[in-house]
Amino acid sequence: DAGVTQSPTHLIKTRGQQVTLRCSPKSGHDTVSWYQQALGQGPQFIFQYYEEEERQRGNFPDRFSGHQFPNYSSELNVNALLLGDSALYLCASSLDPGAIYEKLFFGSGTQLSVL
Amino acid sequence: AQKITQTQPGMFVQEKEAVTLDCTYDTSDPSYGLFWYKQPSSGEMIFLIYQGSYDQQNATEGRYSLNFQKARKSANLVISASQLGDSAMYFCAMREGQRVDDKIIFGKGTRLHILP
Repeated sequence: DAGVTQSPTHLIKTRGQQVTLRCSPKSGHDTVSWYQQALGQGPQFIFQYYEEEERQRGNFPDRFSGHQFPNYSSELNVNALLLGDSALYLCASSLDPGAIYEKLFFGSGTQLSVL
Repeated sequence: AQKITQTQPGMFVQEKEAVTLDCTYDTSDPSYGLFWYKQPSSGEMIFLIYQGSYDQQNATEGRYSLNFQKARKSANLVISASQLGDSAMYFCAMREGQRVDDKIIFGKGTRLHILP
């Protein structure tokens, strides 16, 4: 049973460029959440997708956008990259997000470096 | 306002000793869930243990237990008989309410070093 997979594992971009990160959820999961984790910090919630729609969003600018496909996989797009966007981007999947006990399953993340 | 507070940025513990990682939280919602995750150097967050706000007993999962003190709003993780493989970042997290759009928020984490 495949867990959450993310690609690529590492990425180097320059300021102003655009980037797309990809995530495949754990088999059977239909909800994908994206988190940004700066060095030495806890993960910060970016947004969550369910049934191909963005259901909720954290405190991130519109430069951060996403998409969910019919097979539940998801993409995170960041436009006009800033140095401060350098971070580990984590994708997490879950099932039955309405259950308070529902835990997240995480991928290993994409390490984005903006130069 | 920060809802999850982890006051120990780093801890050093001798192998085989027990260790307690502190977590306090802030919420006015009577229904919430508390989680602990482990993040090794590989980056993947690994779920360890869950405690619901209405659970009467402290949660336990193998060597992990959660010391839940509701009145004090604390949810400390206790690792018994620590092992070298326990060296990692540990994050406390919370989910409020049971609305379908509720998200899990994380603290800043504690880096645990197990010494041989």
